[in-house]
Amino acid sequence: EVQLVESGGALVQPGGSLRLSCAASGFTFSSHWMHWVRQAPGKGLVWVSRSNYDGSSTSYADSVKGRFTISRDNAKNTLYLEMNSLRVEDTAVYYCGRVSQELELLSPIDYWGQGTLVTVSS
Amino acid sequence: DIQMTQSPSSLSASVGDRVTITCQASQDIVNYLNWYQQKPGKAPKLLIYDASNLQAGVPSRFSGSGSGTDFTFTISSLQPEDFATYYCQQYDTLLSFGGGTKVEF
Repeated sequence: EVQLVESGGALVQPGGSLRLSCAASGFTFSSHWMHWVRQAPGKGLVWVSRSNYDGSSTSYADSVKGRFTISRDNAKNTLYLEMNSLRVEDTAVYYCGRVSQELELLSPIDYWGQGTLVTVSS
Repeated sequence: DIQMTQSPSSLSASVGDRVTITCQASQDIVNYLNWYQQKPGKAPKLLIYDASNLQAGVPSRFSGSGSGTDFTFTISSLQPEDFATYYCQQYDTLLSFGGGTKVEF
């Protein structure tokens, strides 16, 4: 059974840092592109970042570029999101998602984690 | 960036109603368009992929159509468990989502 479990969310002050993790199981993690998507309280879904299957190709939304870094450890079946210089507007539930087809970028996200809440507030 | 314009933002419906949601892309996205359902406190669930393909295990009352820039999502006969928020999402260039449609009683 495919499972994605996020962790690392917390209350952090503006300007602070946080690292989110997404532990994957039930599939060949090293063969799938992965995404981070966030959702501010009461708002819609917003794409944050993506990584190809070996971490050599990454992309970011303009709103987080230069502050967030996506990475992965395929030996540990884990995706990460390093978040620096956090702002109040980064407050959201952060979801990781798996692209369905192995080695394919142009394929839908078919599995999502349960999300982890990041709150940026003083 | 590709902008996705989804309408309506909310609608009121009753069990058994036919519900239609539209999504317009700011540029041609071929058929790289998915529809997701999200219930409060839960992760999104993939319903329709590549504009018109039903994800495995999803009831056939859900359907999608369209290509290029204009897409439609339909629930043929609304069931109690379908009250939720629905999002379109393009994946032609990076990812972007529509603003969502809340289907309420």
